[in-house]
Amino acid sequence: DQQVKQNSPSLSVQEGRISILNCDYTNSMFDYFLWYKKYPAEGPTFLISISSIKDKNEDGRFTVFLNKSAKHLSLHIVPSQPGDSAVYFCAASNFGNEKLTFGTGTRLTIIP
Amino acid sequence: GAVVSQHPSRVICKSGTSVKIECRSLDFQATTMFWYRQFPKKSLMLMATSNEGSKATYEQGVEKDKFLINHASLTLSTLTVTSAHPEDSSFYICSARAPNPRGQGANEQFFGPGTRLTVL
Repeated sequence: DQQVKQNSPSLSVQEGRISILNCDYTNSMFDYFLWYKKYPAEGPTFLISISSIKDKNEDGRFTVFLNKSAKHLSLHIVPSQPGDSAVYFCAASNFGNEKLTFGTGTRLTIIP
Repeated sequence: GAVVSQHPSRVICKSGTSVKIECRSLDFQATTMFWYRQFPKKSLMLMATSNEGSKATYEQGVEKDKFLINHASLTLSTLTVTSAHPEDSSFYICSARAPNPRGQGANEQFFGPGTRLTVL
C-alpha cells in the first residue's frame, strides 16, 4: 500500500525553465511534508518542508505547494539549473510520529 | 548543520557471513536513528527505528533476528545483517532526527551517505 505516490518516474526540463514535481498522498493523518534530493550512491538531502497549516512555503529557488483537499503537493524549482539533476523524493509524516513515509521518487534531468 | 556518517560505504561479502554497518551523528546527539533500505528504482523503505538505550522498533515484515540493531550511545547506531544472502543485497541508509527541527512538529531527518551491500 503506497501511501505516498510520485506518479512521474522521470522529468526532463530545459535549463532556466521551471521544474514541477508532483506528489500525492492517501493518508489524511499526514500533516507534515518534506522534499529530499538524492544523488546516486548518496543519502537524501533535505530540501524544503511544509506543515499542513500552510499551503505554500518558499526557500530561494524552491517552493512547495500543498493542496490538502486534493491530498497533493508539488515542488517548484525556478530557474532550473544543471546541478538540480537528481532524484527527488517527497515524504510525509504526522505530528507526534517521527517516521517518514517516502514516495517512489522522480528523476529530474536538467537539459543545458 | 547536522552531519551523519556511515561506514563502510561499500561492502562485498560471501553468503552466510554477517556484516555490520555503522551510523554516526558527528556533531549532534541523536536519541533516535532510523534505518532504511532502498531497492533499485524504488522508494526508501523504513526498516526500523533505533532508540538509544532500548530495543529497536521494527517495521512489519522486517526480521529482527536477521537485521540486528544496536544503539549503544547517543552518536552511534549499528545495523548487523546476519547470515547475509544475495537477496539482502541493497543500499542501506541511516538517518537521525534533526537536533533542532525547524517549525512546529517538524520531522526533518538528516541522512547518512548510505552503504551498498553486495552479497555474493
